Amino acid sequence: EVQLVESGGGLVQPGGSLRLSCAASGFTFNYYSMNWVRQAPGKGLEWVSYISSSGNTIYYADSVKGRFTISRDNAKNSLYLEVNSLRDDDTAVYYCARDLRSGYDDVSDIWGQGTMVTVSS
Amino acid sequence: SYVLTQPPSVSVTPGQTARVTCGGNNIGRKSVHWFQQKPGQAPVLVVYDNTARPSGIPERFSGSNFGNTATLTISRVEAGDEADYYCQVWDSNSDHRVFGGGTKLTVL
Repeated sequence: EVQLVESGGGLVQPGGSLRLSCAASGFTFNYYSMNWVRQAPGKGLEWVSYISSSGNTIYYADSVKGRFTISRDNAKNSLYLEVNSLRDDDTAVYYCARDLRSGYDDVSDIWGQGTMVTVSS
Repeated sequence: SYVLTQPPSVSVTPGQTARVTCGGNNIGRKSVHWFQQKPGQAPVLVVYDNTARPSGIPERFSGSNFGNTATLTISRVEAGDEADYYCQVWDSNSDHRVFGGGTKLTVL
């Protein structure tokens, strides 16, 4: 079964940091590009970051550029998101998502269940 | 950056046809993808590349894209179709994926 499982969320103070992880199984991880997408409580979906299958191409949303870092370890079938300098408006469920065909202009067809990040003092 | 505009809500009675629109400047030149999201669940891809359906998605879900408007059409609507629906495109000017604001489909 194709599966993505996120972890690492939690409650953090403004200015703090977290490392989110996404464990992939049931498919050949190093064939696919991956993304992080977030959803603030009661709000819509917001794309956060993209990483190519090799890790050589990376994009970020303007709202997180310079604060968040996406990475992957293909040997461990894992995707990561380092989130730093957290602000109140970073509070959201963070989803990892696999792309259908792999490409920066593609679409994600497989999504995890998400991990909640709450930024609050 | 590129903006996608969706109506906040659409209502339909069971068995009727629901149409959810997604507006954007010359969106007809882009590939549009649609997601369904039920409360407390992750999004599910229901239409990609304007008209294609992933395996397991009923034929009742279809898409079109012309000019400045893309449309997700759900035929013979069922109670289980009640959900939020999001459109998404790739903006080549910013190298960003962009989502519409979402439309809540209510089945009366």
